[in-house]
Amino acid sequence: IQLTQSPSSLSASVGDNVTITCRTSLNINRYLNWYQKKPGTPPKVLIFATSTLKSGVPSRFSGSGSGTDFTLTITDLQPEDFATYYCQQTSSSLVTFGQGSKVEIK
Amino acid sequence: EEQLLESGGGLVQPGGSLRLSCAASGFIFDTSGMSWVRQAPGMGLEWVSAISASGEHTYYTDSVKGLFTVSRDNPKNTMYLQMNSLRAEDTATYYCARNIVVGRSGIHRYYYMAVWGHGTTVTVSS
Repeated sequence: IQLTQSPSSLSASVGDNVTITCRTSLNINRYLNWYQKKPGTPPKVLIFATSTLKSGVPSRFSGSGSGTDFTLTITDLQPEDFATYYCQQTSSSLVTFGQGSKVEIK
Repeated sequence: EEQLLESGGGLVQPGGSLRLSCAASGFIFDTSGMSWVRQAPGMGLEWVSAISASGEHTYYTDSVKGLFTVSRDNPKNTMYLQMNSLRAEDTATYYCARNIVVGRSGIHRYYYMAVWGHGTTVTVSS
C-alpha cells in the first residue's frame, strides 16, 4: 500500500494553522497513524487510528479521514512543532510510511 | 518507564553481516509485537520488519526479504535483527519500536508504534 503525503514541505509561522494530507493507494479503513520526527530524536506518535490523540500530545494536533484520504491538522502552530511529519498504515502486514512532510519556519 | 535500547550498529563492508539487538524494559515484553524501522541519511522513515509477540509470525519489507531475519528471546526481553549481505543502501539509523494493537482481523493486528529506542547507526562502506 502506497502512501502519498502533501505537501512535501511547507513554510509557516507561529500561530498558523497547518494541514497535511495522506492519500493511500488502497482503502485502509481507519488504521492510519501520524508521527512527528525531529533530527537526532526517534519518531513520536501523535495520533493513531486516524483520530485518536496519543496521551500527552497537545490538543492542537488532530486527525481525520477514512478510506483512502486522511488529514493531520495543527492549529496554532508552536515553535516546537517545526518538524517532519509522517503518516503510516498498518492495515497491511507490510507496513508503509508516507514520504514525510517537513514543516519549516517562515 | 517503558524503554527500548538498540545496540550492535557499526561500520561494515558491503556483503558483510551485523546483528542488531533491542533490549526492552518497563513493560511485559512477551505480550508485545515489535518492529524495526530505519532512516537513511537525508531520507524518510522506512519500515523494515515486524515480529509477533510470540515470535511465530515475522514480516519484512521486500528489499530485505531473504537477507534480514528478525527474532526475539522473550525470557531475555530482547529482539534481534540479523542483517546479512549488507549493501550501501542499508546504511541508516535503525530504530526498534513497541507495537500497540488497536484492532484485529483474524491473525492480522492493526497497531501503532508507541515506544521507540534512540536508534543505532549502521554504515555499509568499503
